Amino acid sequence: SQQGEEDPQALSIQEGENATMNCSYKTSINNLQWYRQNSGRGLVHLILIRSNEREKHSGRLRVTLDTSKKSSSLLITASRAADTASYFCATGALTGGGNKLTFGTGTQLKVEL
Amino acid sequence: DVKVTQSSRYLVKRTGEKVFLECVQDMDHENMFWYRQDPGLGLRLIYFSYDVKMKEKGDIPEGYSVSREKKERFSLILESASTNQTSMYLCASSFPARVRSNQPQHFGDGTRLSIL
Repeated sequence: SQQGEEDPQALSIQEGENATMNCSYKTSINNLQWYRQNSGRGLVHLILIRSNEREKHSGRLRVTLDTSKKSSSLLITASRAADTASYFCATGALTGGGNKLTFGTGTQLKVEL
Repeated sequence: DVKVTQSSRYLVKRTGEKVFLECVQDMDHENMFWYRQDPGLGLRLIYFSYDVKMKEKGDIPEGYSVSREKKERFSLILESASTNQTSMYLCASSFPARVRSNQPQHFGDGTRLSIL
């Protein structure tokens, strides 16, 4: 089942602009994570926000979480061509001894020079 | 840095063959995961493992099995490959929640498998 749904599916911006991607989910979560995937490569973890947190920053990344609306957003400020990639949100629920994640379908970001 | 290594980047097999996809991690992670990624469907969990010789079904286990004989290695097996199993397969690993909660997963670069 697809827990997280990203919006928009595709986004094209100019270098230097900000990029905002949204993620909605359906059930209660323990944490929400954002990942990046360059074409033909594996996913790379960007940032994790716990269900009791509302906002988190990491470099040019800002993530917000609204558990009442079951939504999150990822903001990339001052985008660069190297930010071109697919971005996925993943919701986590503790299962047994691990951290099972359910991924959304992703937002394809293209940053043009 | 955590390294998750998948044995092949590209693999071509025939319908009905038994296919093995191998994954090795070097960070002593207890959790390991196998996903498949298809356009428009995102990542879907096939199987995961919390410990050696332990496995649990994910969302789409049909047609697959797994093996975890050693902590660092997690194998995905296609018992009798079919064309609808043509996909990108991604392996991941992470620490367990009982040590630290909410751990990120670390991914390999994937195996693009084509079944002809």
